Amino acid sequence: AQKITQTQPGMFVQEKEAVTLDCTYDTSDPSYGLFWYKQPSSGEMIFLIYQGSYDQQNATEGRYSLNFQKARKSANLVISASQLGDSAMYFCAMISDTGFQKLVFGTGTRLLVSP
Amino acid sequence: EAQVTQNPRYLITVTGKKLTVTCSQNMNHEYMSWYRQDPGLGLRQIYYSMNVEVTDKGDVPEGYKVSRKEKRNFPLILESPSPNQTSLYFCASSTTIGHTSNQPQHFGDGTRLSIL
Repeated sequence: AQKITQTQPGMFVQEKEAVTLDCTYDTSDPSYGLFWYKQPSSGEMIFLIYQGSYDQQNATEGRYSLNFQKARKSANLVISASQLGDSAMYFCAMISDTGFQKLVFGTGTRLLVSP
Repeated sequence: EAQVTQNPRYLITVTGKKLTVTCSQNMNHEYMSWYRQDPGLGLRQIYYSMNVEVTDKGDVPEGYKVSRKEKRNFPLILESPSPNQTSLYFCASSTTIGHTSNQPQHFGDGTRLSIL
């Protein structure tokens, strides 16, 4: 069975600093994808970044990067130069070849960015 | 604009009164899915559909029904809602692929249901 674990219920960071949100996963599938979604207080789910299990390099999208350590089964999200608008809930999710497109989500980390 | 549209956004209703949450996507996606979000549990899949007339159960299907008569629409039906179905519901869609891909699922804005 696939599982995503996010051990940080909440994180605080000051504006302009970098922050790392942890995500570990468990799967026996050799091929899978890892996603991060942002959920602001308005409730919508916003796709941030994707990492494939066979990707050689860590994914980056603007201020977001994914620290992918396959042997440790971790896929941490790094947000550089935090902004007040980054305050939100962040979900790590996984999809695999045998999962029929099902996204398996972690329980989320609430990030608060202070001025 | 590419989007997934859910209606209603908010609904307060009573136990046992049948309700339908509609979901429509304009991206010609084959795959559609319903999730519910509960505090401390993240999002869990209720039902999914790989294409028209093809649906299957997710992790928490009890108390829900779905149908996929048209590619763009995937309504979620609560035949006899109960208070434990009070939750935030999301519809999502993506292209059907034969292997893992970087194509993210597009989510609707969510429907907050309160069953009294």
